[in-house]
Amino acid sequence: DAGVTQSPTHLIKTRGQQVTLRCSPISGHKSVSWYQQVLGQGPQFIFQYYEKEERGRGNFPDRFSARQFPNYSSELNVNALLLGDSALYLCASSLEGARRANSPLHFGNGTRLTVT
Amino acid sequence: DAKTTQPPSMDCAEGRAANLPCNHSTISGNEYVYWYRQIHSQGPQYIIHGLKNNETNEMASLIITEDRKSSTLILPHATLRDTAVYYCIVRVRADKLIFGTGTRLQVFP
Repeated sequence: DAGVTQSPTHLIKTRGQQVTLRCSPISGHKSVSWYQQVLGQGPQFIFQYYEKEERGRGNFPDRFSARQFPNYSSELNVNALLLGDSALYLCASSLEGARRANSPLHFGNGTRLTVT
Repeated sequence: DAKTTQPPSMDCAEGRAANLPCNHSTISGNEYVYWYRQIHSQGPQYIIHGLKNNETNEMASLIITEDRKSSTLILPHATLRDTAVYYCIVRVRADKLIFGTGTRLQVFP
């Protein structure tokens, strides 16, 4: 079975530009979450979507936005890129999302974003 | 902030059991303990989770103390491919995981 897939795998952008990252969850999973992992640190929560509605938001500026589509795939958008946005962006999916803490998250291998 | 404390690094000989400890003294009664690992340049991989009882799956065993203030992840026969950063997470909210800095496990031949 296919796991969580993310595209692109690598991306280089210039300061001030905008970027869109894409995620396809595991088949049957209705919840998608986004995490940012800066080099040397653990992943940090950005958003969670369940049934196309935002169910959770981390401590990130409004330059970060996301959405979930009817097929449960998701996009993460980052506007006005800063050098500090350089990171590995991880997508995770789960069956139940915000409703149950007993539903494990399964992560993709991420998109490596470099801002120059 | 993460509610867990883990040693920053550990070593284990190949073929031996790797026992990774985690302290979570402020855990609440309905909060789950999750373990993930991250191999370099990959996304975190789910290993196991539990609430009160010990759990076992094809990857590992999770031992939770009776007072739930600490737990141990056991990899019964470590291989070189188990070299990774292991994260112990107390899931406070259903919508997110709060990662700490984890334990870097090095399995040597």
